[in-house]
Amino acid sequence: SQQGEEDPQALSIQEGENATMNCSYKTSINNLQWYRQNSGRGLVHLILIRSNEREKHSGRLRVTLDTSKKSSSLLITASRAADTASYFCATGLWGGSEKLVFGKGTKLTVNP
Amino acid sequence: GAVVSQHPSWVICKSGTSVKIECRSLDFQATTMFWYRQFPKQSLMLMATSNEGSKATYEQGVEKDKFLINHASLTLSTLTVTSAHPEDSSFYICSASSDRFETQYFGPGTRLLVL
Repeated sequence: SQQGEEDPQALSIQEGENATMNCSYKTSINNLQWYRQNSGRGLVHLILIRSNEREKHSGRLRVTLDTSKKSSSLLITASRAADTASYFCATGLWGGSEKLVFGKGTKLTVNP
Repeated sequence: GAVVSQHPSWVICKSGTSVKIECRSLDFQATTMFWYRQFPKQSLMLMATSNEGSKATYEQGVEKDKFLINHASLTLSTLTVTSAHPEDSSFYICSASSDRFETQYFGPGTRLLVL
């Protein structure tokens, strides 16, 4: 069953603009992860934020987590055409050997 | 590090035949491997979790006799779609992990088309 709900389902922006995607989930979590999927390809792990963390940065990515609202956001700054992909959040209960529950994803299109 | 491969990357088969998809962890030992299915423009749906040396745990609604999973070694898991039908056409993705990782590492996926 789906745990996360990404918002918006689709986002189209111009190169250089920032892109913000949101994710809501339903149950308690140990961590929340964001993945990117280029069309017809596998998933690439972007960033993991633990339940006791509120914000995390990695390059042009900024992730926030609000456990009281059961929500997370992914911000991509200074977007590039190469950022065009689908972005999924996934919640995990424990370590890598536990299953992840994926949201429905946000399709991001960055126009050159 | 943490590279996962899948083979084949795409396969076309006739209805009624069986298809085997391999998932390999290339540079680490994966105590756990996961198999997902993804329909066009949809999210990943977990089909089953396999632990090396034991039977796979299937998600509700997934037919274990149709989707046979074998995790015979710490670097290889296979998914066999038995008696495939057109409705089994989909994108199948595996991932691998172990307790020393916090996340899963995904293969590039296998696109299956059943005619």
